[in-house]
Amino acid sequence: DAGVTQSPTHLIKTRGQHVTLRCSPISGHKSVSWYQQVLGQGPQFIFQYYEKEERGRGNFPDRFSARQFPNYSSELNVNALLLGDSALYLCASSLFGVGEKLFFGSGTQLSVL
Amino acid sequence: AQTVTQSQPEMSVQEAETVTLSCTYDTSESNYYLFWYKQPPSRQMILVIRQEAYKQQNATENRFSVNFQKAAKSFSLKISDSQLGDTAMYFCAFMNYGGATNKLIFGTGTLLAVQP
Repeated sequence: DAGVTQSPTHLIKTRGQHVTLRCSPISGHKSVSWYQQVLGQGPQFIFQYYEKEERGRGNFPDRFSARQFPNYSSELNVNALLLGDSALYLCASSLFGVGEKLFFGSGTQLSVL
Repeated sequence: AQTVTQSQPEMSVQEAETVTLSCTYDTSESNYYLFWYKQPPSRQMILVIRQEAYKQQNATENRFSVNFQKAAKSFSLKISDSQLGDTAMYFCAFMNYGGATNKLIFGTGTLLAVQP
């Protein structure tokens, strides 16, 4: 079975632009979470979606939004990009919403110039 | 709020030897999960081991084992017979039990280098 897949792998944007990152969970997994990992730090929780509903949101501005589709894939959108949004964005999936092991993709490296 | 602290930014070990990575955490909850994840240069976070706080027995996965000291809020990872492929960033992480989300709270990581 395929693992968690994310696209694109790398992305370069300029300040003020908008970006959409995509994630496909492991087959059968209904929960998708997004994390931001700035260089030299541990990942920070952004969102969790379970059965297409938002289950949790981290301490990120409203410029960050996400959604989950009927096939459980997910998109993370970031508006009005800032230099500080440059980071590795990781997607993780799990079977259910709580207490399960999270399986991560290889991430999307976003550079904002 | 829960916090996770990894006080060793970098560590080095010789191939075939044993190394222990430290992690402490802070929480007022009695039930929770603790994890160690490995992040090699490929950037993918790989689950190494999981511990449920209500289980007294320390988790083991092949060459990886933990020393879980609940009272001390300590959760160290021991890697036995270190291999070159173990070279990676290692993150300790905390998850609440029974909460509304499966949010992981990560430490800042320990970069482990296995020397030939």
